[in-house]
Amino acid sequence: DAKTTQPTSMDCAEGRAANLPCNHSTISGNEYVYWYRQIHSQGPQYIIHGLKNNETNEMASLIITEDRKSSTLILPHATLRDTAVYYCIVRPPPNFGNEKLTFGTGTRLTIIP
Amino acid sequence: DTGVSQDPRHKITKRGQNVTFRCDPISEHNRLYWYRQTLGQGPEFLTYFQNEAQLEKSRLLSDRFSAERPKGSFSTLEIQRTEQGDSAMYLCASSPRTGLPPETQYFGPGTRLLVL
Repeated sequence: DAKTTQPTSMDCAEGRAANLPCNHSTISGNEYVYWYRQIHSQGPQYIIHGLKNNETNEMASLIITEDRKSSTLILPHATLRDTAVYYCIVRPPPNFGNEKLTFGTGTRLTIIP
Repeated sequence: DTGVSQDPRHKITKRGQNVTFRCDPISEHNRLYWYRQTLGQGPEFLTYFQNEAQLEKSRLLSDRFSAERPKGSFSTLEIQRTEQGDSAMYLCASSPRTGLPPETQYFGPGTRLLVL
C-alpha cells in the first residue's frame, strides 16, 4: 500500500473550515484515498473516499490533486464534536487481495471554542 | 443498536493468564476484521474473516493469538499466556462484501486490555 504523510496535529476555530492535508506521492493508479476519524475512546469512523474526482458527502469534502499525489479533507463548519484523530489511508479497490486498512498515526485535530 | 458490539469493554488480567474477547458484527456483514491499537498509534491489522474462513493473518498475530468465527456470525479473539506487551485496545470491524468501494469497515467500541 502507498504510504501517507500527515501533520501530527492541527487546531481550528469552531465554525471555521478545517482543512486536513495528506501526502500520498507513491499512490498507484487504482488505489483509492479513504479518510477515517477516531474520536477519543471510540472505534474509527468512515468519513469519505475518492479515486480521482473531488467528493462531497454530509460529513466532509475530499479534494484530490490532479496528479493524485496529495489530498485535502475539508470539514466545512467545524464543531467541538469534530475533535478527533483523522487518518488518511490509501487502499486498493476491493478484491485486489488487500482488504485491510493500513492506518498511520494520523492528524490530531483540535477544535478551539 | 445495530452497530458492531464488543465484549467486554475493559479487561484487566495478570501476566500468564488467558483472555477471550467477543465481537458481534453488523447483521449480514460477511467480512469481519480484528485490529490492535496501542497508545498514540493507529490501529494495526491482525486478521480478517470472510464468513467463517480466516483469509489473512498479520505477522503480529503470534501463535499465542487465535481467532475464530465458527458460524460466520460472531467472532472470538483469544490470547493465551498474556504478556504485558499485549496491553492494547482490540478493535473489531465488519463490512459487507460488495466488490465495490468503499466497502466501509464499521468499527466497534473496542476492548481495552491491561496486563499486569
